[in-house]
Amino acid sequence: GENVEQHPSTLSVQEGDSAVIKCTYSDSASNYFPWYKQELGKRPQLIIDIRSNVGEKKDQRIAVTLNKTAKHFSLHITETQPEDSAVYFCAASGTDRGSTLGRLYFGRGTQLTVWP
Amino acid sequence: EAQVTQNPRYLITVTGKKLTVTCSQNMNHEYMSWYRQDPGLGLRQIYYSMNVEVTDKGDVPEGYKVSRKEKRNFPLILESPSPNQTSLYFCASSLGTNNEQFFGPGTRLTVL
Repeated sequence: GENVEQHPSTLSVQEGDSAVIKCTYSDSASNYFPWYKQELGKRPQLIIDIRSNVGEKKDQRIAVTLNKTAKHFSLHITETQPEDSAVYFCAASGTDRGSTLGRLYFGRGTQLTVWP
Repeated sequence: EAQVTQNPRYLITVTGKKLTVTCSQNMNHEYMSWYRQDPGLGLRQIYYSMNVEVTDKGDVPEGYKVSRKEKRNFPLILESPSPNQTSLYFCASSLGTNNEQFFGPGTRLTVL
């Protein structure tokens, strides 16, 4: 099955600086890579996703890049604000060995803190 | 309003007392799944389902059961809860594996 690793586990930045979170995956057949944001005490919510036929996607201050050859993808947040403070999870689609069903595999999360 | 609901939101129980956490979605989604969230371990998938009567194990299925008799409902059953199942549980649904997952509000379970 797929293995997703996420780094760093914690990240502190000054307001206005950029933040980058990186994930690697193991299954070359994976073709969908979402990012979820979880604010304290809330449920995870999708903030951006990318499919394997695209190398980069932007949505205002956030962007995701995908390098299929190297099997890694990254979340970039520019001009960070205190409200960006949250836990961010990356994920990759895949299939367990012996199963025909697809599923999502999540990284362990990155706690981002933006200091004013 | 499109949503995923879970009940109960909070539950304190004792070891060995069977319990069910319900999950329901009103978006006609085929894909549903259960996760548990523990500090430092992220979101770990317990079970998932691609459609009615189609389920499969995730990363941590031991001690849990699920059923998918109707498209909208995906209950999580703990036949004999143990303290190591104390956790925050999320149900999620989506159109498919490669689509946005909508999470329920979470169920905080404590097993004494």
